[in-house]
Amino acid sequence: DADVTQTPRNRITKTGKRIMLECSQTKGHDRMYWYRQDPGLGLRLIYYSFDVKDINKGEISDGYSVSRQAQAKFSLSLESAIPNQTALYFCATSEAGTDLETQYFGPGTRLLVL
Amino acid sequence: AQSVTQLGSHVSVSEGALVLLRCNYSSSVPPYLFWYVQYPNQGLQLLLKYTSAATLVKGINGFEAEFKKSETSFHLTKPSAHMSDAAEYFCAVSSGGYQKVTFGTGTKLQVIP
Repeated sequence: DADVTQTPRNRITKTGKRIMLECSQTKGHDRMYWYRQDPGLGLRLIYYSFDVKDINKGEISDGYSVSRQAQAKFSLSLESAIPNQTALYFCATSEAGTDLETQYFGPGTRLLVL
Repeated sequence: AQSVTQLGSHVSVSEGALVLLRCNYSSSVPPYLFWYVQYPNQGLQLLLKYTSAATLVKGINGFEAEFKKSETSFHLTKPSAHMSDAAEYFCAVSSGGYQKVTFGTGTKLQVIP
């Protein structure tokens, strides 16, 4: 079984709709991240959480919100989706203090906003 | 502040030829450096990482990278390209501790038969 899972894997939505992307992990890691990937721009950090009570904005957090429901779960919400949020979204985890910041990625969610 | 620059968004090599993917970094403290690989329709996975031990780092699938502080570089190489190496490669830097990882923009490697 995959250590980091994301649901849904693909999603089509309309402008103005609220959607949620979910991430779950069985690695027991404290740190979780949400990235978006756009062609030619690489991965950009949206939000990150170093533990359940710690949520931080990344470089492109506008238009997004997150919820860390438990150590194993980290959800990303688009409050009112817009077409330029069409992208590939990745969740990742890492373990504090060991493995020196290696990140473990989920398979991604491909989002299309019409 | 930290950043990485990957030179060349697309690189093409012939099967059996040397693979060289370039990465330069900027960091105000000794960095941790990573190369990740993304195969089509998959998430990223770690290829190798530099953590201030040996400057020549060996990774999976025959890849290696050399940390050169004087050149602020961490280029990825493989002596002989295989068709299965076709993927997108990301260089990344971290300053450790509570610092986040910063990714480069990626280099797509095409391997020509």
